[in-house]
Amino acid sequence: AQTVTQSQPEMSVQEAETVTLSCTYDTSESDYYLFWYKQPPSRQMILVIRQEAYKQQNATENRFSVNFQKAAKSFSLKISDSQLGDAAMYFCAYRSAKAGYALNFGKGTSLLVTP
Amino acid sequence: DGGITQSPKYLFRKEGQNVTLSCEQNLNHDAMYWYRQDPGQGLRLIYYSQIVNDFQKGDIAEGYSVSREKKESFPLTVTSAQKNPTAFYLCASSPIDRGINTEAFFGQGTRLTVV
Repeated sequence: AQTVTQSQPEMSVQEAETVTLSCTYDTSESDYYLFWYKQPPSRQMILVIRQEAYKQQNATENRFSVNFQKAAKSFSLKISDSQLGDAAMYFCAYRSAKAGYALNFGKGTSLLVTP
Repeated sequence: DGGITQSPKYLFRKEGQNVTLSCEQNLNHDAMYWYRQDPGQGLRLIYYSQIVNDFQKGDIAEGYSVSREKKESFPLTVTSAQKNPTAFYLCASSPIDRGINTEAFFGQGTRLTVV
């Protein structure tokens, strides 16, 4: 079974600073995708960024980027120039063709952004 | 606008009663999913369906039932057999014909409280 581990239950960052959220996963499959979702206080799940396992180049979306280390099965999220609106729960998720393509989530990291 | 609609937003149930949570999508997605979210637990898969009239158990299906009579609808029934039903429930959908790289879209959730 695939497992996703987020080892940081809570993180804090000052506005305009950079923060990195950690995620590791365990799988025996070769074809899979990795995602970071954000859940603000409204509890709406919002896709932040995605990474294909076959691509060596790390994905980037504006202030959000990932550090994908396939051999180490690590998929960290870096948020640059943090903003107050970045405060939320962040979930790392794994997806493959198993279980109807369902996302398999980590337990989440709560990010606090201080002025 | 296309999207996923969950209703109601808040639901109260007396112990021993069954209750049904609604999930409707107009995105023409084949796959639909139900997740349960508890504090510190992330999102856990209850049931999923890839096609009408077919569905599969996820990791925590005990005490729940679903149906998929229409492509657009995937209601979840929380039965009296579910020992700890108080939680936040999220429904999601996703196309599967385009592979695992496509994101899943989420509803706004239903908060179920047993009183």
